Amino acid sequence: DGGITQSPKYLFRKEGQNVTLSCEQNLNHDAMYWYRQDPGQGLRLIYYSQIVNDFQKGDIAEGYSVSREKKESFPLTVTSAQKNPTAFYLCASSMWRGNTGELFFGEGSRLTVL
Amino acid sequence: KNQVEQSPQSLIILEGKNCTLQCNYTVSPFSNLRWYKQDTGRGPVSLTIMTFSENTKSNGRYTATLDADTKQSSLHITASQLSDSASYICVVSLPPWAGNNRKLIWGLGTSLAVNP
Repeated sequence: DGGITQSPKYLFRKEGQNVTLSCEQNLNHDAMYWYRQDPGQGLRLIYYSQIVNDFQKGDIAEGYSVSREKKESFPLTVTSAQKNPTAFYLCASSMWRGNTGELFFGEGSRLTVL
Repeated sequence: KNQVEQSPQSLIILEGKNCTLQCNYTVSPFSNLRWYKQDTGRGPVSLTIMTFSENTKSNGRYTATLDADTKQSSLHITASQLSDSASYICVVSLPPWAGNNRKLIWGLGTSLAVNP
């Protein structure tokens, strides 16, 4: 089945550790995105990528890093520089040109910093 | 300032009843308006996308309306089911030519609980 797969679903991290969240899609979408969701707040864009080997900062990129070496993959690293990393992280993908840009989301990864 | 406001913040209804969720936005320029359903602990799923020229769009028991003049949208759920319990999020998209790479403005969502 076509879709977006995020892993792990739950992740615990000690302060000072980096952690990488995986996102893979087989929808042949050009664009991929990482969002962060916190209680009482709307989704906030961390990074997005329109094409392979290119990505752009979103609204809250500080303390995060990404790579886009393959069209299907867009991993997110939460670094120790992120001051408040406990959150629900959502990966999404979409076609980029010639349509409405409808987003298709993965099931999310919940990161808890101990 | 570009904003999307949803009301009510939360809603409880009985199974089988209808309900309507509201979305007001101040986003300009406007490309499209989307409604997403998000079950607890899962990713959002698209229900409808409406462009400027569309007034109504249905997806099964979900019907979205859009009044681009007043910048208001509503999502009507007919004959609610227990599985409709979720957060419903309204999102407005700016057009690609607006110089912000098709930025999305997200509402905070309406939390709907359908009780038996």
